[in-house]
Amino acid sequence: GQNIDQPTEMTATEGAIVQINCTYQTSGFNGLFWYQQHAGEAPTFLSYNVLDGLEEKGRFSSFLSRSKGYSYLLLKELQMKDSASYLCAVRDSNYQLIWGAGTKLIIKP
Amino acid sequence: GAVVSQHPSRVICKSGTSVKIECRSLDFQATTMFWYRQFPKKSLMLMATSNEGSKATYEQGVEKDKFLINHASLTLSTLTVTSAHPEDSSFYICSARDSEGGDSYEQYFGPGTRLTVT
Repeated sequence: GQNIDQPTEMTATEGAIVQINCTYQTSGFNGLFWYQQHAGEAPTFLSYNVLDGLEEKGRFSSFLSRSKGYSYLLLKELQMKDSASYLCAVRDSNYQLIWGAGTKLIIKP
Repeated sequence: GAVVSQHPSRVICKSGTSVKIECRSLDFQATTMFWYRQFPKKSLMLMATSNEGSKATYEQGVEKDKFLINHASLTLSTLTVTSAHPEDSSFYICSARDSEGGDSYEQYFGPGTRLTVT
């Protein structure tokens, strides 16, 4: 079966760095996505990885290792507004998005 | 960036009635739109893939006669929850892929519709 695992909840301090991990087992691979979702709102796109390596976009970076079925989202210089759920999603061989359950990130002052 | 709208944002209806939710791509054409459902503190669950001019493809376990999907134009898809029951209460989100985007990796999400069935 298809499976995406990410931690349920993480806590970090304002100004610090946090890494959210995601491991996946899917039928084929056509890219991995990270989305941010604030409570009661729809997800917003953060990053996309299809090749191994690190993609940097401002305070956010995303890493992919296809051989290990592993990705992480790195958030630097954390701000209170970064408190949200972070969803990992993999596009499988049918170009369907398979979603993880999301990681709730709590930022403390 | 591309914008997708949903209407209504919130709806409360009585058990047994039907509710229609609209999803529109405002500045691009979308051959394919997706309908998701999300329970509190849970991930998104794909309900169906809506294809313009053809029948929607429903995921396993989703009743097509209960969740009617119509994708009549390249900018509009509708989801109708028929004979709603309290267990249908949920957050419904649509997303759309830009038809001109080729192998574009991005789905654009609507803001979601909170349905409460009393």
